[in-house]
Amino acid sequence: EAGVAQSPRYKIIEKRQSVAFWCNPISGHATLYWYQQILGQGPKLLIQFQNNGVVDDSQLPKDRFSAERLKGVDSTLKIQPAKLEDSAVYLCASSKALYRAENTEAFFGQGTRLTVV
Amino acid sequence: QKEVEQDPGPLSVPEGAIVSLNCTYSNSAFQYFMWYRQYSRKGPELLMYTYSSGNKEDGRFTAQVDKSSKYISLFIRDSQPSDSATYLCAMSATGGYNKLIFGAGTRLAVHP
Repeated sequence: EAGVAQSPRYKIIEKRQSVAFWCNPISGHATLYWYQQILGQGPKLLIQFQNNGVVDDSQLPKDRFSAERLKGVDSTLKIQPAKLEDSAVYLCASSKALYRAENTEAFFGQGTRLTVV
Repeated sequence: QKEVEQDPGPLSVPEGAIVSLNCTYSNSAFQYFMWYRQYSRKGPELLMYTYSSGNKEDGRFTAQVDKSSKYISLFIRDSQPSDSATYLCAMSATGGYNKLIFGAGTRLAVHP
């Protein structure tokens, strides 16, 4: 079974520039998560999709971050404009479905390491 | 107060030692408890999964959940240098959207 794919692996941009990250979840997984992991901290949920609908974006800085999940499969996360404090690893994860105990396991991609200078 | 508290360490132990990693939480609605292992520059991978209270064992790893104390633990027996990684606890509640809340992670180094 193929894992969660993310690209790019690394990105360096200047502040105020824009950047986009791409995620392809495991086939058949209805739930997709984007997490932000700042160095030395645990992952923080930015946004969660069930199929192509948003179920939680309470911690997404909506003035600069946006995300979409087209056709309930791939997803992109965009930052515009970037700030220095956005430097972090952006992790995408997927799981089978909501409301089922055995489907809670989330599988993570390798992440995109963003450096804003 | 954070929903999930985890001592970031770092924790350094000799090879063969028993390692104890812990998290506390404040949300009594949490029912699913997970431990993820994260190697440097990699994404987290699920190590152990427990529903509600009790113990679960898998090889050298044992996960314990004490809901009355809102406290979870991961024990690693006969620790190996390959166990050197960051260990993240994660939790989610029932009846919701399976939102995973992570602890800060504990860095573990096992030296030969």
